[in-house]
Amino acid sequence: AQSVTQLGSHVSVSEGALVLLRCNYSSSVPPYLFWYVQYPNQGLQLLLKYTSAATLVKGINGFEAEFKKSETSFHLTKPSAHMSDAAEYFCAVKAAGNKLTFGGGTRVLVKP
Amino acid sequence: GAGVSQSPSNKVTEKGKDVELRCDPISGHTALYWYRQRLGQGLEFLIYFQGNSAPDKSGLPSDRFSAERTGESVSTLTIQRTQQEDSAVYLCASSLASSSGGAETQYFGPGTRLLVL
Repeated sequence: AQSVTQLGSHVSVSEGALVLLRCNYSSSVPPYLFWYVQYPNQGLQLLLKYTSAATLVKGINGFEAEFKKSETSFHLTKPSAHMSDAAEYFCAVKAAGNKLTFGGGTRVLVKP
Repeated sequence: GAGVSQSPSNKVTEKGKDVELRCDPISGHTALYWYRQRLGQGLEFLIYFQGNSAPDKSGLPSDRFSAERTGESVSTLTIQRTQQEDSAVYLCASSLASSSGGAETQYFGPGTRLLVL
């Protein structure tokens, strides 16, 4: 079985501040991990994915995430938030099988 | 190229009616997935197609839900005798041939927002 926990359903950051979104996973086999972003009334767009090639993964729009096996974590960061980063972010795991298992999502609000 | 498309974008129906939701995957993608997103929640897996067969239907919540895929392209998700708890956004995704536990990226459509009154 696999599961994902995202700490914090809502995060508020100031423009220019660090964005940190937490994701912890549970998996009985080595997983692949994904971060998706969902803008209002749109589908999900892939930000980045971990495929075991490198533990620090760089994605689009200045986001990156680090896979830490010992902590079973895959936290998403961006050094400086932009107004356009306001969206909902989902962490997902794919281990055995073909489906993605998603966390509950974290909605990011960026304050000017 | 074109992404995943879904229709209708919005659907309002009365309790007890049947609804059909359509998904057009990216051309050449043999794997297709349906997910459900309830308000304020993450996505729940419903069903996975590889080609025209569905090796994983484990997420379908009841026998009122069914899905088919024809010609390794279009898929239809059908909900019979809709209930208010079926209200959600139904998202379709496609990917290149999927291997169990593989890292293929799933590309998502914009979803169909279903409201059951």
